[in-house]
Amino acid sequence: AQSVTQLGSHVSVSEGALVLLRCNYSSSVPPYLFWYVQYPNQGLQLLLKYTSAATLVKGINGFEAEFKKSETSFHLTKPSAHMSDAAEYFCAVRRGGSQGNLIFGKGTKLSVKP
Amino acid sequence: GAGVSQSPSNKVTEKGKDVELRCDPISGHTALYWYRQSLGQGLEFLIYFQGNSAPDKSGLPSDRFSAERTGGSVSTLTIQRTQQEDSAVYLCASSSIVGGGGAEQYFGPGTRLTVT
Repeated sequence: AQSVTQLGSHVSVSEGALVLLRCNYSSSVPPYLFWYVQYPNQGLQLLLKYTSAATLVKGINGFEAEFKKSETSFHLTKPSAHMSDAAEYFCAVRRGGSQGNLIFGKGTKLSVKP
Repeated sequence: GAGVSQSPSNKVTEKGKDVELRCDPISGHTALYWYRQSLGQGLEFLIYFQGNSAPDKSGLPSDRFSAERTGGSVSTLTIQRTQQEDSAVYLCASSSIVGGGGAEQYFGPGTRLTVT
């Protein structure tokens, strides 16, 4: 069975500081991995995805993530946080490695302090 | 272009009543998914439609939940005899078959269901 674990339900950083949101996965097949962001009272928006083409993936709004097979991790980073980055972030793995549903982590709420 | 739309945006219903939630996917997307988002359970998969194949209903929590997709487009999620634990935000997503497992799922804004 596949699963995703996000370490830290809440992360708080200062504006301009590094953002690091952790995600570890479990998968018996080569995984397709995703990071989604959800702003208050909105739906989910894709930040970036890993599809085996490259281990370092760049996404929107300055975010990037690195796939590390040896660590079964796909952590999300951004060098410098903006106030507008405050949101909830979800890591997900595609079930079955094909077009199945996404299996989500519990989410990490990011707060950005001025 | 138009994204995934859902209606209603909010629904308040009394315990025991039936409700229908609607999803209009992005035109041309063959895959359609329903998820539920609640405080205690996070984001849970409910059901998945792919083209003309039989739907994957493995995430439906009980037989009170059902869904259909007519003409390969619009989908309706029906909850019969609603219970308070059904209160949640119901999210619909669609995706193209292009890209296989890496295809992005596009999410709608959700329907917030409150059962009183």
